[in-house]
Amino acid sequence: GENVEQHPSTLSVQEGDSAVIKCTYSDSASNYFPWYKQELGKRPQLIIDIRSNVGEKKDQRIAVTLNKTAKHFSLHITETQPEDSAVYFCAASRNDMRFGAGTRLTVKP
Amino acid sequence: DSGVTQTPKHLITATGQRVTLRCSPRSGDLSVYWYQQSLDQGLQFLIQYYNGEERAKGNILERFSAQQFPDLHSELNLSSLELGDSALYFCASSVQGTNEQFFGPGTRLTVL
Repeated sequence: GENVEQHPSTLSVQEGDSAVIKCTYSDSASNYFPWYKQELGKRPQLIIDIRSNVGEKKDQRIAVTLNKTAKHFSLHITETQPEDSAVYFCAASRNDMRFGAGTRLTVKP
Repeated sequence: DSGVTQTPKHLITATGQRVTLRCSPRSGDLSVYWYQQSLDQGLQFLIQYYNGEERAKGNILERFSAQQFPDLHSELNLSSLELGDSALYFCASSVQGTNEQFFGPGTRLTVL
């Protein structure tokens, strides 16, 4: 089955800096790659996603890139703000969805 | 609010007991997924149902079972509970033909 690895497990940045989280996947047939943000005790919320026929997608301060050949995808957050502090999960899906272990992002004011 | 509802919000029970968690998907969504999230852990995929039929199975223990009813709500049954089953249990639903999943608020299960 699909195996998703996510790095780093924790990331601390200064407000205004950029943050990058990277994921790799094993199943070359996976075709959907979402990113979720989860605040403490709350539900995971979809923040951006990308499909395998697209290499990059941007939504305001958030962007995701996908390299199908290398089987990795990344989340980029620019101009980070304290409210970006949360746990971020990547996932890869063909039919069922498998999640990475998560990255705890802390943005220091 | 994602439109996915889960009940109860919190559940406290003892080892060896059996509980049922309930999920109602967003209106029109045919797929329901169940996930387990232990403390400071990632989301472990348990099982997926599509329009009443089991579609995919993940790391679901034999003590756990699920079903999806004709009105599309789903129940996750956990039996012979152990301390290690304490976790947040999320369900998610998706629109037919897409993988995009929307999560419910979760049920926090505490096994004492």
